[in-house]
Amino acid sequence: GDSVTQMEGPVTLSEEAFLTINCTYTATGYPSLFWYVQYPGEGLQLLLKATKADDKGSNKGFEATYRKETTSFHLEKGSVQVSDSAVYFCALIQSNFGNEKLTFGTGTRLTIIP
Amino acid sequence: DAMVIQNPRYQVTQFGKPVTLSCSQTLNHNVMYWYQQKSSQAPKLLFHYYDKDFNNEADTPDNFQSRRPNTSFCFLDIRSPGLGDAAMYLCATSRDGETQYFGPGTRLLVL
Repeated sequence: GDSVTQMEGPVTLSEEAFLTINCTYTATGYPSLFWYVQYPGEGLQLLLKATKADDKGSNKGFEATYRKETTSFHLEKGSVQVSDSAVYFCALIQSNFGNEKLTFGTGTRLTIIP
Repeated sequence: DAMVIQNPRYQVTQFGKPVTLSCSQTLNHNVMYWYQQKSSQAPKLLFHYYDKDFNNEADTPDNFQSRRPNTSFCFLDIRSPGLGDAAMYLCATSRDGETQYFGPGTRLLVL
């Protein structure tokens, strides 16, 4: 079945550091790929998405590129802020004729220190 | 702004006392989902409605039920909450199974 493998956490960085959170997937066909962010005590917020190979999703300084050849969707940000501290989930959806389900990675907890 | 709303944000119930969580949406999406999320874990899908069609996950306990009286509202009923049901419950919506948008969640505490 489909699966998502995420970089193990927790990750701790200093403010203004460069961020990469690795995500790779296993799926048949051509899934859509997502990054969700969850702040403490909150629900999941869609951060960015990409629906086909070589698409780049971007939002709030975060970027991720859908790489079919390496089955990856790594999240990057050039300069992190304390407010980026949260849990990040990589996920995919496979088209399934009305029975689409999100397959999540395990989540990566990110802490940014001033 | 179009959004997914969950009430209440925090719910305390007693062991074995039925509880209902609610979700409403102004996105006019035809698919609504309920997830359970325990600490430090990814959300786990309990069930979803595709229009009026109910789809239960195979491993969702019978203790969990859902109702969708109209397009905008969906309810999660826990008939006899146990201590193991304490968790964050997340509602999400999508159009035709595409991008899912989540509400802020309801944190359930079972005493």
